[in-house]
Amino acid sequence: GQNIDQPTEMTATEGAIVQINCTYQTSGFNGLFWYQQHAGEAPTFLSYNVLDGLEEKGRFSSFLSRSKGYSYLLLKELQMKDSASYLCAFMDSNYQLIWGAGTKLIIKP
Amino acid sequence: DAMVIQNPRYQVTQFGKPVTLSCSQTLNHNVMYWYQQKSSQAPKLLFHYYDKDFNNEADTPDNFQSRRPNTSFCFLDIRSPGLGDAAMYLCATSPSSGGADEQYFGPGTRLTVT
Repeated sequence: GQNIDQPTEMTATEGAIVQINCTYQTSGFNGLFWYQQHAGEAPTFLSYNVLDGLEEKGRFSSFLSRSKGYSYLLLKELQMKDSASYLCAFMDSNYQLIWGAGTKLIIKP
Repeated sequence: DAMVIQNPRYQVTQFGKPVTLSCSQTLNHNVMYWYQQKSSQAPKLLFHYYDKDFNNEADTPDNFQSRRPNTSFCFLDIRSPGLGDAAMYLCATSPSSGGADEQYFGPGTRLTVT
């Protein structure tokens, strides 16, 4: 079967670093996406990993280990505007996105 | 700017009264998706079009129908909304369904059923 799991909620301090983990199980895999979703708004694309390793994009980095079915999103120098939900989603063998429920990130001053 | 547009942003309908949500795109993408998202839950794919080829998810209720009259427009029809259909409805597009393309989302329509 297919499943995907991420923590429901995390809290971090402005200026700090936070790592949001995502684990998944699937027989067919065509990459893993991270999206950011502010409350009441649509998801916006952050990153895509299909090969093992770290992809860095400014303050945000995403890591993938296919053998472990594991990914994380790393956010550095946290800003208040980073308060949002972060959704991971993997693309299955049919190129369909299988979504996690999202991790609500709360940033405190 | 190329984009995905959804109208209206907020829709209130009565229990059992048909409602139509609309989505348009200026990206000229082949694939259009409709998702339902309830609070703190993952987006749930209802159906998608690859060009005019309609693909219905197995667990999408018959109460939900869709139309795509041309590349740019796609509609979601809810024939008899129930209280459980209150949700955010997200339209998304991608260039193709045979590749690992990111999906571009519209701002969503928040549906309230009274």
